[in-house]
Amino acid sequence: EPEVTQTPSHQVTQMGQEVILRCVPISNHLYFYWYRQILGQKVEFLVSFYNNEISEKSEIFDDQFSVERPDGSNFTLKIRSTKLEDSAMYFCASSEDRANQPQHFGDGTRLSIL
Amino acid sequence: DAKTTQPNSMESNEEEPVHLPCNHSTISGTDYIHWYRQLPSQGPEYVIHGLTSNVNNRMASLAIAEDRKSSTLILHRATLRDAAVYYCILRVTGNQFYFGTGTSLTVIP
Repeated sequence: EPEVTQTPSHQVTQMGQEVILRCVPISNHLYFYWYRQILGQKVEFLVSFYNNEISEKSEIFDDQFSVERPDGSNFTLKIRSTKLEDSAMYFCASSEDRANQPQHFGDGTRLSIL
Repeated sequence: DAKTTQPNSMESNEEEPVHLPCNHSTISGTDYIHWYRQLPSQGPEYVIHGLTSNVNNRMASLAIAEDRKSSTLILHRATLRDAAVYYCILRVTGNQFYFGTGTSLTVIP
């Protein structure tokens, strides 16, 4: 069964540095998402991406964050000038091209900011 | 907000059925009800979704109330591998899902 893959599984970064989290969505999916989960807390929506542009974003997704689909397979989340509170699990997801369709999640990248 | 209400935790004996309830009184007419689960150290996993009629798949069944203000996820025979946090989810807007705190299911051998 096709799956969403995320790399790296664990990223350790110094505060203030930039980090890029990578995702390979399921190949025939057209909607892509990033969520985060701070340890012990809820899964929180960050952003959705469709047709090479952001379709929705939450209040969390401020100017520090950006997303990109640099080629036909990868979907990336860039966090500039990382802060301690950016430490979390970051999950990528993808879904087919219709609303209300299931989102398929990767196993996440654990981001640790030191 | 399309919020849902679930019990914080439930227990079940292994190989017995489990009924996980969810209230969603503010659901809009066209929104599907989605259920996901999250095993420890893993990403959320799709379980099932439905609109009005009851739904079955290889993982579970979804029973939706006639007024759509509540639903129940049914695991027919709980196994130890079913121990997870189960989320009942509605769309907020577009394709944005809101995850609540979910129900932590403990399966007792």
